[in-house]
Amino acid sequence: TAGITQAPTSQILAAGRSMTLRCTQDMRHNAMYWYRQDLGLGLRLIHYSNTAGTTGKGEVPDGYSVSRANTDDFPLTLASAVPSQTSVYFCASSAQGLSEQYFGPGTRLTVT
Amino acid sequence: AQKVTQAQTEISVVEKEDVTLDCVYETRDTTYYLFWYKQPPSGELVFLIRRNSFDEQNEISGRYSWNFQKSTSSFNFTITASQVVDSAVYFCALSEPDTGRRALTFGSGTRLQVQP
Repeated sequence: TAGITQAPTSQILAAGRSMTLRCTQDMRHNAMYWYRQDLGLGLRLIHYSNTAGTTGKGEVPDGYSVSRANTDDFPLTLASAVPSQTSVYFCASSAQGLSEQYFGPGTRLTVT
Repeated sequence: AQKVTQAQTEISVVEKEDVTLDCVYETRDTTYYLFWYKQPPSGELVFLIRRNSFDEQNEISGRYSWNFQKSTSSFNFTITASQVVDSAVYFCALSEPDTGRRALTFGSGTRLQVQP
């Protein structure tokens, strides 16, 4: 089974440009999450969605937006990228709140 | 606010040594969950264990064991007879209160290097 897929695997993006990171899960999990991983800081929550049609802000939401039109997909959009958004982005899902989360392979984004 | 502290930034051991990774957490909740994840050099995050706050029994899975002590707010992870394949970054994480966000608060990770 695929679990969670993310696209692209990596990307170099010019500052000021927009980009959407894609995330799809095939486990029919209700909850989905976006984290960013920076050296020495662990993973920090950007946005989350407890169920299709709802989203919420995490710890570091500024500069990012999400949507959850259906159960499987949870895209993350950077409207106008800045160099501080250079990071590795992980999408995750869980069956319900407080369950273990399963992570996608990550997207490495470099904003120049 | 919740917090997870992994004070050991990097640990290096020789194969077959035992190693313990420390995790200390802070939370005001009485009900919560603790997790450990492994991130090998390939970069993916692999779920290892979930423990709820009412279950203080130690857990053993093969060469892995976990020691949960509520009195000291610690959830330490021990690898017995370490192997090169154990080389990875290990993250401890804490569930957030069931108020809506339901995400995880991660520690900064401990990089384990197992030398042959």
